Amino acid sequence: SQQGEEDPQALSIQEGENATMNCSYKTSINNLQWYRQNSGRGLVHLILIRSNEREKHSGRLRVTLDTSKKSSSLLITASRAADTASYFCATRPIQGAQKLVFGQGTRLTINP
Amino acid sequence: EAQVTQNPRYLITVTGKKLTVTCSQNMNHEYMSWYRQDPGLGLRQIYYSMNVEATDKGDVPEGYKVSRKEKRNFPLILESPSPNQTSLYFCASSLLGGGGGDTQYFGPGTRLTVL
Repeated sequence: SQQGEEDPQALSIQEGENATMNCSYKTSINNLQWYRQNSGRGLVHLILIRSNEREKHSGRLRVTLDTSKKSSSLLITASRAADTASYFCATRPIQGAQKLVFGQGTRLTINP
Repeated sequence: EAQVTQNPRYLITVTGKKLTVTCSQNMNHEYMSWYRQDPGLGLRQIYYSMNVEATDKGDVPEGYKVSRKEKRNFPLILESPSPNQTSLYFCASSLLGGGGGDTQYFGPGTRLTVL
């Protein structure tokens, strides 16, 4: 069953603007992770936020987690053409913690 | 260089012809997993392994087999491939597989076409 659902499915912005992607999930989690995938290639881990954390930063990335709403957001500031990729959230459920459940992803396009 | 490798990267085969996709990691990770990625469906887990000789089904295990005889290798076996197994397959590994906080390292993917 799909746990994480990203919103929007596709996002197109101008270089230099900020990009915000959202993820909603259904069950209680241990942690939530964001991954990036360049076209047809393997996923690359970006950032992990634990269930007891509310916000985390890594370079130009800012992730928030609201466990009461079962949602997370990924903000990429000052976007660059190289940020063009698909972004996936993945949740580590408390039940069935051996699995990492991915959403369908947000396709981000940065226009020069 | 720490990495997950998969072979082959591309494979075209015919229905019913057994095939194996290999996966190997050099990071001494305990946890390994196979996913398939299909348009509009995201990544779905096929099988995972918590350690040597410990494998378990993911969300879409039908038609697949795995084995974990060595810590570094986790091959995916399709005994009798069918066209609905045409997909992009990813192997991944991580140090831990439970809820202790972990990140997964992905291989480059294997694009499989079953005619």
